Parts: sequence; C-alpha cells; structure tokens
Amino acid sequence: EVQLVESGGGLVQPGRSLRLSCSASGFSFDDHDMHWVRQPPGKGLEWVSGISWGGGSIGYADSVKGRFTISRDNAKKSLYLQMNSLTTEDTALYYCAKDMGGYSYGFSWFDSWGQGTLVTVSS
Amino acid sequence: DIVLTQSPATLSLSPGERATLSCRASRSVSSYLAWYQQKPGLAPRLLIYDASNRATGIPARFSGSGSGTDFTLTITRLEPEDFAVYYCQQRGNWPLTFGGGTKVEIK
Repeated sequence: EVQLVESGGGLVQPGRSLRLSCSASGFSFDDHDMHWVRQPPGKGLEWVSGISWGGGSIGYADSVKGRFTISRDNAKKSLYLQMNSLTTEDTALYYCAKDMGGYSYGFSWFDSWGQGTLVTVSS
Repeated sequence: DIVLTQSPATLSLSPGERATLSCRASRSVSSYLAWYQQKPGLAPRLLIYDASNRATGIPARFSGSGSGTDFTLTITRLEPEDFAVYYCQQRGNWPLTFGGGTKVEIK
C-alpha cells in the first residue's frame, strides 16, 4: 500500500523559512516523479512543484519560483520542500503527491496523496 | 498558463440522479486532462486521467469525455458517497494547473 506522510508544517512569521518533508513507502520511490500540491483553507488546489525520479528535471509554479526549492533523497525515500521568504499567501495545507508516470515526457497525474501538513504564515 | 474553468460551481442533485460536470480550458490541452474527487478533510483522489481513463478502483458510474478545450465528467447514478468537490487538472501545457472545482451537494 502506498503511504506518503508529510511533516514539518507549523506557524511561521512572514519572511521566515520552513522545510517540509514527505516520507514514502509501499512503492518504488526512485521510479516515480513526485510533487507538492497545496490548498489554502477553504479554497482549491494549486500545484506547487514537481521533481523527476532522478532529480534531473524540476518545475515550480510562478507563485513560488525563486523562493521554494524541491529536492529528494531516493536512498531515504523522502521528498522535501524548502520554503523561504514566506508570505501570508503561502498559508495552506501542503500535500505530497506521487506522479502516476508512464508517459514518455513530463509530469502527469497525482495518483497517491499524503494527508497534508498545514503551513500557517502569520505575524 | 492554461486556465481551467469548471461549471457549475455548485450542483444540487438527489441520490440516483445523473451528474454532469464541465471543465473548459483556455486553450487546447489535447486529451491531457484528469478529474479528482475530494471529500471534506481528506486528500483528493484521482478518478479519471487522459480525459476518459478510469483510475484503479474507480467505479464504472464515473466516466470522462472530451478533448481539446471542452471536457465532461459524468456520474451516471449518484451514490451517497459521491457528494464531494470535483477538480479537473491538465498536463497539456506547462505549468500543471487545476480548475476551481465543482461542489456536488445533496438537494
């Protein structure tokens, strides 16, 4: 059974940093691209960032580009999101999601999700 | 960026009725569209990918159609557990984007 467990969320002041982690199990982690997707309270979904299985291809939403950095450690079966210069607009539940894969190029669909970790940016 | 517009925002129906949800893209995404279901307090679940392929374990009452800019998710007979919010998502153009969601509520 695929399991994705996020951690690292919390209350942080504007301008500060936070690092999220996602621990994966139940599948071949190093065979799959991985993503972060966020959801502000009471609102819709926003793709934040994705990383290919080997880390060679990375993408970011414009809203976080230059502030957030995605990374992965395949030996530890873990995904990370370093978030710097946080603003109140970054307040959201952050989900770790597994890419379904199976395409010759690019990121695709999110076929497994964690339960999310809440990031609240407030003074 | 591709903007996905979902309609209606809210759909009020009774169990057993047919639900038809729309997702319109600001430009063509070919068949690169997926649908997700999200219930309160839970993570989204992948229902349909590549416009019309059901994900693993998804009941046959869920079906997807469309290509280019216009897509439809149909639930043939609503079960009590189908009342939820539904999102579409595209991978046809960078970056990946989601629609704003359609809430299917009990009438």
